[in-house]
Amino acid sequence: DAGVIQSPRHEVTEMGQEVTLRCKPISGHDYLFWYRQTMMRGLELLIYFNNNVPIDDSGMPEDRFSAKMPNASFSTLKIQPSEPRDSAVYFCASSMTAFNEKLFFGSGTQLSVL
Amino acid sequence: RKEVEQDPGPFNVPEGATVAFNCTYSNSASQSFFWYRQDCRKEPKLLMSVYSSGNEDGRFTAQLNRASQYISLLIRDSKLSDSATYLCVVTRNFNKFYFGSGTKLNVKP
Repeated sequence: DAGVIQSPRHEVTEMGQEVTLRCKPISGHDYLFWYRQTMMRGLELLIYFNNNVPIDDSGMPEDRFSAKMPNASFSTLKIQPSEPRDSAVYFCASSMTAFNEKLFFGSGTQLSVL
Repeated sequence: RKEVEQDPGPFNVPEGATVAFNCTYSNSASQSFFWYRQDCRKEPKLLMSVYSSGNEDGRFTAQLNRASQYISLLIRDSKLSDSATYLCVVTRNFNKFYFGSGTKLNVKP
């Protein structure tokens, strides 16, 4: 299996622009998670899906952030408009249905908003 | 209060040393416990699960103390390749994973 695949690896954009991050989970995994990592705040859970349905989005910082999972093999995290404080590494992770299965992370997207 | 708290370090130890990290969690309803390892500019990867009875995987030993709400990781005979950040993780409400900020380990020759 190819593992969790994220794109792009790096994104540099200007304040106010729309940013879309993409994730393909491991086939057969029913849970998908979006995390953000910064030096100051560590790894923060933004949102997670079960069987393509958003279960908990309480970590999404504000309305500028949105996430979708149109099918079992694809998810997007969108920031519109982007701000410099959104600069971080964004990780996607997936896990199987079983109770408290381990997380498999993608390589992350390094986002820089200038 | 943070769900999971860790000493950020860094812990600087010579090769061959034994080093231990602790982390504490705030919610007694936490269900499962893990240690993840993260190399610089890489994604976190599972190192080991932590069971109530304690468990060992080669040079690594993990312990859980539910009464005091802390988790420990012991690394024996440290290798240069053990240099990384170690993340303590707890879960609650099924599949909701809470990560600590990590403890940085530097193993020196």
